[in-house]
Amino acid sequence: DAMVIQNPRYQVTQFGKPVTLSCSQTLNHNVMYWYQQKSSQAPKLLFHYYDKDFNNEADTPDNFQSRRPNTSFCFLDIRSPGLGDAAMYLCATSRVGVNSPLHFGNGTRLTVT
Amino acid sequence: DAKTTQPPSMDCAEGRAANLPCNHSTISGNEYVYWYRQIHSQGPQYIIHGLKNNETNEMASLIITEDRKSSTLILPHATLRDTAVYYCIVRVLYGNKLVFGAGTILRVKS
Repeated sequence: DAMVIQNPRYQVTQFGKPVTLSCSQTLNHNVMYWYQQKSSQAPKLLFHYYDKDFNNEADTPDNFQSRRPNTSFCFLDIRSPGLGDAAMYLCATSRVGVNSPLHFGNGTRLTVT
Repeated sequence: DAKTTQPPSMDCAEGRAANLPCNHSTISGNEYVYWYRQIHSQGPQYIIHGLKNNETNEMASLIITEDRKSSTLILPHATLRDTAVYYCIVRVLYGNKLVFGAGTILRVKS
C-alpha cells in the first residue's frame, strides 16, 4: 500500500546532541510537511517542501532544519535538542493544491534526556 | 487563516450517529473545510473535505451550511474505535498549508 513511513517510531537523544528523523513516501507527492506535536496539543506546522522549494514557518526555531534529497525522502534535523523539543514529530505528504488531502505518517516520538 | 471553533469534548453512545459541529465564520470563498481525526499515538487520519456542497464517503458525511459559516461532521454509526480527537480545519487557499486548531475529543461509550 502507498504510504508515509517514519523511522524510527521512538527516538531518544541527549540534551544538545544532534538528531535526525526520517520520512519516506511511496505516494509520489510533490509536497512534504513536518509537524511538531507536544503532549495534549494540536500538531504545529514547522515547515514544508513543495518539490525542492523549502517553506519555513515564521515561528519555527533555527534549531530545526530540513533536507529533501529527492521526491521520496525528507529529513528533520534538530541541531541542539533541548528538553522543550521532546514531542511527536509528524511527517505528511500531499499533491499540490487546496483540494488535495494531506497523508500523515504515524510519527516519531522524540525523548530528550 | 480562517479560525475554527469546536466544542472541546463530546460523548456519543455506541451505534448512534455522532454529530460534530464546527464554526468557521471567517471562511473565504475558495477555502475548503477539512476534517481529520487522531487516535492516541497515531498520526492524523484524513476523513473528508468539502467546499460548498455536502459530501459523503465511506467514513462520514460533511454538511456545510449554505452561508459556509459552519459545518457538521456526521459519523453515522459510531463505534468504540471512533474515539479520537476530531479536527475541523479551514485550508488556506495558497501555500499548501494545513493548520490545526484545538479539536474536539469524541468519546464513544458502550
